[in-house]
Amino acid sequence: EVQLVESGGGLAPPGGSLRLSCAASGFTFSIYTMNWVRQAPGKGLELVSSISTSNSNKFYSDSVKGRFTISRDDAKNLLYLQMNSLRVEDTAVYYCVRDGLRSFGSDDFYEVDYWGQGTLVTVSS
Amino acid sequence: SYKLTQPSSVSVSPGQTARITCSGDLLAKKYARWLQQKPGQGPLMVIYKDSERPSGISARFSGSSSGTTVTLTISGAQADDEADYYCYSAADKNLWVFGGGTKLTVI
Repeated sequence: EVQLVESGGGLAPPGGSLRLSCAASGFTFSIYTMNWVRQAPGKGLELVSSISTSNSNKFYSDSVKGRFTISRDDAKNLLYLQMNSLRVEDTAVYYCVRDGLRSFGSDDFYEVDYWGQGTLVTVSS
Repeated sequence: SYKLTQPSSVSVSPGQTARITCSGDLLAKKYARWLQQKPGQGPLMVIYKDSERPSGISARFSGSSSGTTVTLTISGAQADDEADYYCYSAADKNLWVFGGGTKLTVI
């Protein structure tokens, strides 16, 4: 059974830092692109950051670029999101997500995406 | 940048068929995915690759595609189907673009 369990959320002051972790199990973690998606209270979904296999490509949304860093430890099946210089507008539930799309050159293979239950980050003084 | 447009709300009577649309130029060249999100819960994928249903998802959920519009169809709607539904797709560099979400009410 695929499981993604986020941790590390909580309350932080503006300008503060938090490190989110996501423990993956039930699948071969190293062969999938992993994403962090957030949802502000009462709002929709936003892709925050993405990391491809072998750390070859990393993406950050404009809203977090220069402040957040995504990383992965394939030996431990862990995904991380280091969040620095936090802002009030970073307040959201952060989801760890396995991207079921696997691309090999011009060929795409589709599997199911799996989402964690999320961890709440609250930025407030 | 690409945009995906969904109706903000859809209402359906119990036992009837609900249809939720998602439109955008991206969908003419990339497959759509659909999520179900119930209050206080993490999202659950109900459709991928436009019309594929993950194992364990009720056959009452189906997806279809035509041009730049994809449709999530829920047959025989039940109270338990009340949720927010999001479409999304992979754009350039396989980065996700999300629709704004549709609140399904079963009344």
